[in-house]
Amino acid sequence: NAGVTQTPKFRILKIGQSMTLQCTQDMNHNYMYWYRQDPGMGLKLIYYSVGAGITDKGEVPNGYNVSRSTTEDFPLRLELAAPSQTSVYFCASSAGRGNTEAFFGQGTRLTVV
Amino acid sequence: KQEVTQIPAALSVPEGENLVLNCSFTDSAIYNLQWFRQDPGKGLTSLLLIQSSQREQTSGRLNASLDKSSGRSTLYIAASQPGDSATYLCAVVFGNEKLTFGTGTRLTIIP
Repeated sequence: NAGVTQTPKFRILKIGQSMTLQCTQDMNHNYMYWYRQDPGMGLKLIYYSVGAGITDKGEVPNGYNVSRSTTEDFPLRLELAAPSQTSVYFCASSAGRGNTEAFFGQGTRLTVV
Repeated sequence: KQEVTQIPAALSVPEGENLVLNCSFTDSAIYNLQWFRQDPGKGLTSLLLIQSSQREQTSGRLNASLDKSSGRSTLYIAASQPGDSATYLCAVVFGNEKLTFGTGTRLTIIP
């Protein structure tokens, strides 16, 4: 199994540009999460989803949008990129609440200049 | 507010020593708690998952405990090695389904 796959691995954006970070999992997990990690800091939750068609805000949702049209995919959209969005973005998935382990992608390193 | 805290932020110990990393959380109504390891510039590697009904989990030299009533978990590492140097993150699934992370403890094992 590939697990959780994120693309791209690296990206440089100019201020005001838009992009979509892709996240796909092949484990048929219902729960998916997007985090950002700033240098030397922990992970902050941006958005999460408990199933196809259901999304909810995390700690730091401003400047981002998500959709969950399928179980496998959970793309993160950045509109009008700002330098404050320079970060490493991680996607994760789990089978559900309770006794289930969360699996992470390898991350997308985004720089906004 | 549901929060996860890890103290200290950094820890250095000589090789061979046993050590304990701490994690505390503000809401005892949790589904599970998971410990991760992160090497510099890398992703997260899952170490141990403790379900809400469990008190501890063990994997090799690692032992994680959970005390929901006091809102605490510890990660015990036995006979530390230089390869254990990394940042260790604690994450909790609270009742609202959110997987919430602590800020991590950066561990350095001194040869």
